[in-house]
Amino acid sequence: NAGVTQTPKFQVLKTGQSMTLQCAQDMNHNSMYWYRQDPGMGLRLIYYSASEGTTDKGEVPNGYNVSRLNKREFSLRLESAAPSQTSVYFCASSSDRGIGGYTFGSGTRLTVV
Amino acid sequence: DQQVKQNSPSLSVQEGRISILNCDYTNSMFDYFLWYKKYPAEGPTFLISISSIKDKNEDGRFTVFLNKSAKHLSLHIVPSQPGDSAVYFCAASASGSARQLTFGSGTQLTVLP
Repeated sequence: NAGVTQTPKFQVLKTGQSMTLQCAQDMNHNSMYWYRQDPGMGLRLIYYSASEGTTDKGEVPNGYNVSRLNKREFSLRLESAAPSQTSVYFCASSSDRGIGGYTFGSGTRLTVV
Repeated sequence: DQQVKQNSPSLSVQEGRISILNCDYTNSMFDYFLWYKKYPAEGPTFLISISSIKDKNEDGRFTVFLNKSAKHLSLHIVPSQPGDSAVYFCAASASGSARQLTFGSGTQLTVLP
């Protein structure tokens, strides 16, 4: 089925460890996004990419880096994980117009201990 | 400072009755509004949207109302069904690069059989 695929679905990290969250879409969308969801906070934008080769900071970028590897793939990297980064991470994509909204992946539940 | 606010964390409604979910925003640059529905362990899915040039948009059992002067929108679900039980997120965007969405904190709707 067409959509947004995120890996892994679950991950436990120790403080200071690094990891990369992977995201791929097969809808030929130009724009891709990384959000985190925390209780009572809704979804907050970490980084986004309006097109292949471009990335921009969102509301909460500190502690994260991203790579738009090609049109399909947009990865999120935690260089040195902290307990405050315990969250559910969602990747999404949209067409240029964005009128139809985003298509979200099923999420990665990350716990940093 | 939250630009999109959902002040009711939860709402319970009897099956067959109307569910009304509310959302307020502060940024007058927002010109497009969306509602997303989220089930546990899944990503949010697009439900319905409305442009700022309209004050109402209907899609089956779902209607979104926009009151620009009050910076308020609402989602009506009639009749409510047990399968509608989920977290509902209000989101807004302004025209520009990548049409970033700003989300509210969500309202947990429970439809009682």
